[in-house]
Amino acid sequence: GAVVSQHPSRVICKSGTSVKIECRSLDFQATTMFWYRQFPKQSLMLMATSNEGSKATYEQGVEKDKFLINHASLTLSTLTVTSAHPEDSSFYICSASRGDSSYNEQFFGPGTRLTVL
Amino acid sequence: QKEVEQNSGPLSVPEGAIASLNCTYSDRVSQSFFWYRQYSGKSPELIMSIYSNGDKEDGRFTAQLNKASQYVSLLIRDSQPSDSATYLCAVNGVRGGTSYGKLTFGQGTILTVHP
Repeated sequence: GAVVSQHPSRVICKSGTSVKIECRSLDFQATTMFWYRQFPKQSLMLMATSNEGSKATYEQGVEKDKFLINHASLTLSTLTVTSAHPEDSSFYICSASRGDSSYNEQFFGPGTRLTVL
Repeated sequence: QKEVEQNSGPLSVPEGAIASLNCTYSDRVSQSFFWYRQYSGKSPELIMSIYSNGDKEDGRFTAQLNKASQYVSLLIRDSQPSDSATYLCAVNGVRGGTSYGKLTFGQGTILTVHP
């Protein structure tokens, strides 16, 4: 158990367009989902934490109007990169915590590689 | 001082040897500790979790936790070339003196197992 999927796995878009990334927990209910980005040869950077039915909590320096997060259900969270620019090109990874665990382990999706031309 | 610090790498071991990865953390309130493996170009994969002092074994992996010393380690026995990856130590976050769901990651240790 504890499988997390992400879609799409790879996206190439033109500058100025918006891109939506979906994150789903397939076999468990995720009370909390997290969104990270990772640049080449760097560690994970947490962007935001989202709880089902409430507004996301963004980390310092992350623009909430640019990175829109919606956690519509216990199995789905979406990240929309609005008006994407080349500097937004990165590897975006979601993770989910099980609602039935008090240990807060996070299970990661496979990631979405975004390239903005 | 970084919140979670891993031994500097890269670490190179011969096939069949024991690889030892170390991690220290700064907040005593932390209760959950994790080791993730990340292959190049892929997302992290949870390989071990540990919550109590002592050792926890799972196949070729052994996690060790010492809360008094604020130290957690991962041993990989009989290392294989397929173990070559970046290993991330993660500790559950602390806010207002209590732990919560956000994880704090170390910078990662690159492990190379050579034939």
